[in-house]
Amino acid sequence: DVKVTQSSRYLVKRTGEKVFLECVQDMDHENMFWYRQDPGLGLRLIYFSYDVKMKEKGDIPEGYSVSREKKERFSLILESASTNQTSMYLCASSLLSNGYGYTFGSGTRLTVV
Amino acid sequence: AQSVTQLDSQVPVFEEAPVELRCNYSSSVSVYLFWYVQYPNQGLQLLLKYLSGSTLVKGINGFEAEFNKSQTSFHLRKPSVHISDTAEYFCAVSWYTNDYKLSFGAGTTVTVRA
Repeated sequence: DVKVTQSSRYLVKRTGEKVFLECVQDMDHENMFWYRQDPGLGLRLIYFSYDVKMKEKGDIPEGYSVSREKKERFSLILESASTNQTSMYLCASSLLSNGYGYTFGSGTRLTVV
Repeated sequence: AQSVTQLDSQVPVFEEAPVELRCNYSSSVSVYLFWYVQYPNQGLQLLLKYLSGSTLVKGINGFEAEFNKSQTSFHLRKPSVHISDTAEYFCAVSWYTNDYKLSFGAGTTVTVRA
C-alpha cells in the first residue's frame, strides 16, 4: 500500500515563526498536494506539484510556499505564521493526474498562538 | 468556477437505520466523482468513485452512490448503519476543465446512535 507520511501529528508555533510541514510518499508518485481542512469549509487546495521542482498554486496559496526537491518529498512552508493559519493540513499523492487514486496522509494539526 | 455542495452539515441517525448524504456539483462536463470518509483523528479514505459506466456505484463498508447527470448529483446511501460509521464524509469532484484536480464539499458529519 502507498504510504503518505506527515512528519508531525500536532504542532504549536508562535505568530511570526517560519513553519515547515513535511510530507513523504513511498510509491514514486508524480503528483503531490497540500490541502487545509477547516470545519464547514471542507478541504481547500493550497499548492500542488506534478514533478520535481515544479509547483502550482491551488485555490488558497496566500501566505504559503512549497518546495519539492525530491520526488518523494513535498514541503509546505508558512513564511510567517499567523493565527488564521491554525488548521488541519493534509498532504496527498497520486500516480495519475486524473483526480482519482489519491492517498492522503493522516494530517498535521497546526496551532499558531 | 466549479463547486461542490453537500446539502447537510450534520446527519444524526439511529443504528440500523438507512442514511443518505446529498452531494450536488456545478457541472457534469467530463467529471469524476468520489466519496471519502474521515474517521476521528485519521486521514481521508476513499469510499467509492464514479469514473464511467454504470451510474450506480458500490463501495466499501456497504455504501453505494448514484450518479445523476441531469441533476448533477452524486448522493451516498447505506441501507443500515452501524455505530462504526460515525465519521465525516466528503464528496469530491474532479473536472477535465480544472486539470482533474480534486475539489471537495464542506463535509457531512454522521453521528450514529444506539
